[in-house]
Amino acid sequence: QVQVVESGGGVFQPGGSLRLSCAASGFTFSVYGMHWLRQSPGKGPEWVAVIGHDGRNIYYTDSVKGRFTISRDNSKNTLYLQMISLRAEDTAVYYCARDFQVGKYLDYWGQGTLVTVSS
Amino acid sequence: EIVLTQSPATLSLSPGERATLSCRASQSVSSDLAWYQQKPGQAPRLLIYDASNRATGIPARFSGSGSGTDFTLTISSLEPEDFAVYYCQQRNNWPPLTFGGGTKVEIK
Repeated sequence: QVQVVESGGGVFQPGGSLRLSCAASGFTFSVYGMHWLRQSPGKGPEWVAVIGHDGRNIYYTDSVKGRFTISRDNSKNTLYLQMISLRAEDTAVYYCARDFQVGKYLDYWGQGTLVTVSS
Repeated sequence: EIVLTQSPATLSLSPGERATLSCRASQSVSSDLAWYQQKPGQAPRLLIYDASNRATGIPARFSGSGSGTDFTLTISSLEPEDFAVYYCQQRNNWPPLTFGGGTKVEIK
């Protein structure tokens, strides 16, 4: 069955950096666009970034432009999110999600990984 | 950026009752709207896409309607497992993809 599993979360200092990973299985990873989203407690999901199936067509939400980088390795069925210059407001559960076949909806989500930015 | 406003914030109903949830967009999103269900400690699950199409495996008691700026998610008869938070999401004008603030359906 389709599965996406995030890892790499933890507690990080403001100004620090980290890389999240998302391991995909149960589907042909290389033909799907993939997204990162995040969710703070009590809030709705916030879309962060998307990458096309071939690693092109990359877009970010404004608040992370220049700080976050989405990438993928189709040979390893893995999605990444490199995060630098962390801020307290980046604290959230980070989800990876598959792009639905009709585009820009999210049909499979992981369970998320918690990123806490605090000194 | 398109802002999605969901109402009510909380809906208190009993099992078997009908739930009607609203999502209003700050400008037209055509039919490019989805609904998700989220239970505590879980990721969101896609219920409805393109305003009215049920995703795979979603029971027929869930239905979506609307176009332009006003959308509705209806649960015809609430089952115990339907008590959760529901979010709408638009893809018409992106980036960014945007979500509403959610409606919590709680047991009365």
